[in-house]
Amino acid sequence: EIVLTQSPGTLSLSPGERATLSCRASQSVSSSYLAWYQQKPGQAPRLLIYGASSRATGIPDRFSGSGSGTDFTLTISRLEPEDFAVYYCQQYGSSPPMFTFGPGTKVDIK
Amino acid sequence: EVQLVQSGAEVKKPGESLKISCKGSGYSFTSYWIGWVRQMPGKGLEWMGIIYPGDSDTRYSPSFQGQVTISADKSISTAYLQWSSLKASDTAMYYCARHFNDYHGRYYFDYWGQGTLVTVSS
Repeated sequence: EIVLTQSPGTLSLSPGERATLSCRASQSVSSSYLAWYQQKPGQAPRLLIYGASSRATGIPDRFSGSGSGTDFTLTISRLEPEDFAVYYCQQYGSSPPMFTFGPGTKVDIK
Repeated sequence: EVQLVQSGAEVKKPGESLKISCKGSGYSFTSYWIGWVRQMPGKGLEWMGIIYPGDSDTRYSPSFQGQVTISADKSISTAYLQWSSLKASDTAMYYCARHFNDYHGRYYFDYWGQGTLVTVSS
């Protein structure tokens, strides 16, 4: 079973700053199966990035994803006030077939 | 417009049974897997299981196998998550989400329900 680790646990930044969030897998993950979600308080998660680097429909281009193998990164180039939220990475593993979420990174206002 | 609409909040006692629902609309319900995700208070997301409404093929996370039952009624485009005997530790928000497998073979949950809050307390 693949375990995802996200770091840091909390990232305290100011609007306009760059955010770099890390997601590390316990074993290699296909990039096709790596996604990122944003969750704001009281809301359902929202898909941001799929296939490790493709932005979902309607997601601003300040969000970008990269990485391969066991190391993946979500970058927010310039934080907007609405970007302060919790971000989760998620992967699909085929043996056994199951989905796994990382523990999340909270991006809060410094 | 794709929508997943979940049933309302529930307050139950330990030992009671419960079935919550997730109704899909705006797409071919039988052609996409529907997953269930738990979020305990103040905690992260946990994948519970997934069902293909077209033939009711169901997969469970080992952590939830035997603890819950996932089903679907394709005639009314609705997926279900049920418990036979609730515990206080089942108190959580439960989300359904549509799983998408695009033509590049990329997997992700693209649409989510609004969540159903289940509270189990004596």
